[in-house]
Amino acid sequence: AQSVTQPDIHITVSEGASLELRCNYSYGATPYLFWYVQSPGQGLQLLLKYFSGDTLVQGIKGFEAEFKRSQSSFNLRKPSVHWSDAAEYFCAVVSSGGSYIPTFGRGTSLIVHP
Amino acid sequence: NAGVTQTPKFQVLKTGQSMTLQCAQDMNHEYMSWYRQDPGMGLRLIHYSVGAGITDQGEVPNGYNVSRSTTEDFPLRLLSAAPSQTSVYFCASEPLAGGQETQYFGPGTRLLVL
Repeated sequence: AQSVTQPDIHITVSEGASLELRCNYSYGATPYLFWYVQSPGQGLQLLLKYFSGDTLVQGIKGFEAEFKRSQSSFNLRKPSVHWSDAAEYFCAVVSSGGSYIPTFGRGTSLIVHP
Repeated sequence: NAGVTQTPKFQVLKTGQSMTLQCAQDMNHEYMSWYRQDPGMGLRLIHYSVGAGITDQGEVPNGYNVSRSTTEDFPLRLLSAAPSQTSVYFCASEPLAGGQETQYFGPGTRLLVL
């Protein structure tokens, strides 16, 4: 069965600092990978996704993520964090074949200090 | 486009009561799904539909029923509410099933079962 691990429950960064949120997955074949952001009281919004091809994926709001097959990772990065980036971030995986049932990580809460 | 809409925003039920959570989308999306989100956990898929008249179970379907009589609507029914169903429920839609599309999430319904 596929699984997703986000090892950091909370991450605190200063505004303007760089950010990396970790995501590791367990799946036999190449999965489809996603990062979502959830602001308080809101639904999820897709930041970026990876299906195939270039392993460095650009998303919205200045985010990017890199798929590393050898490490089973799909870490999210941003070079300079803004206070408005404070939110909950979820990594998700979907199998590239068969039934479409996504698996979400438990989320990482990003706190941004001024 | 209104996107994905959910009603109600909040609901309090007593154990054993029934209710229907409404979800509608005006984007002509074929794929719709229901998730629940519990504290400290990612989203878990309850049921999904790949088109009108077609529904299937997700990861946590017990206690919930769905139907898809139209492309636009995908209601979630709780036949006999239990405290374990206290959660935030999100509806989502995307153009086609298969995992390569962007999912659009509704704002959520907060449900408390006493």
